[in-house]
Amino acid sequence: DIQMTQSPSSLPASLGDRVTITCRASQDIGNYLRWFQQKPGKSPRLMIYGATNLAAGVPSRFSGSRSGSDYSLTISSLESEDMADYYCLQSKESPLTFGSGTKLEIK
Amino acid sequence: QVQLKESGPGLVQPSQTLSLTCTVSGFSLTSYHVHWVRQPPGKGLEWMGVMWSDGDTSYNSALKSRLSISRDTSKSQVFLKMSSLQTEDTATYYCSIPTRDYWGQGVMVTVSS
Repeated sequence: DIQMTQSPSSLPASLGDRVTITCRASQDIGNYLRWFQQKPGKSPRLMIYGATNLAAGVPSRFSGSRSGSDYSLTISSLESEDMADYYCLQSKESPLTFGSGTKLEIK
Repeated sequence: QVQLKESGPGLVQPSQTLSLTCTVSGFSLTSYHVHWVRQPPGKGLEWMGVMWSDGDTSYNSALKSRLSISRDTSKSQVFLKMSSLQTEDTATYYCSIPTRDYWGQGVMVTVSS
């Protein structure tokens, strides 16, 4: 099974900060990587697909990138509404696997 | 529009079998793959398995021995059955098409006597 190692698990940050969350894949997943945002009591929301493509309706301050087996989600200037949990998901092959999650919180 | 809705018991006794139903609308089950994802309270998302559009299934390796996913295309329903439940199976269970960002609201299942 493909393992997705996500870091950090918790990320205290201030409004306006640039923040980056990373997932490392244990095997080649190409660009079959999605990022989801989840707020308390809500279903996840797709933010990035294909590693680098912004999902519909997602603010342009979000971006995705890839360097080898490392995949990153970056928020260029943190806003209060971005405080949430974030998860990566690989869909290159079954079983699909999520990263362990990152809690983005106000410092 | 595409909708998914989970239903099932909120409380299940330890060692019993969980049965959940995902009722979909706005699309055919032969067109999209429907996944099950769960989330224990305060913890992360766990992919459980998928009913592929062709009727085949795939499962999380750790759950495979206890998990079964099936469907009734005429009723637009996908079913999850998981046996030998333990307290650690307490979670919110979602049916979803994560690759299309379609999610149900989730159903909370508590395993307790």
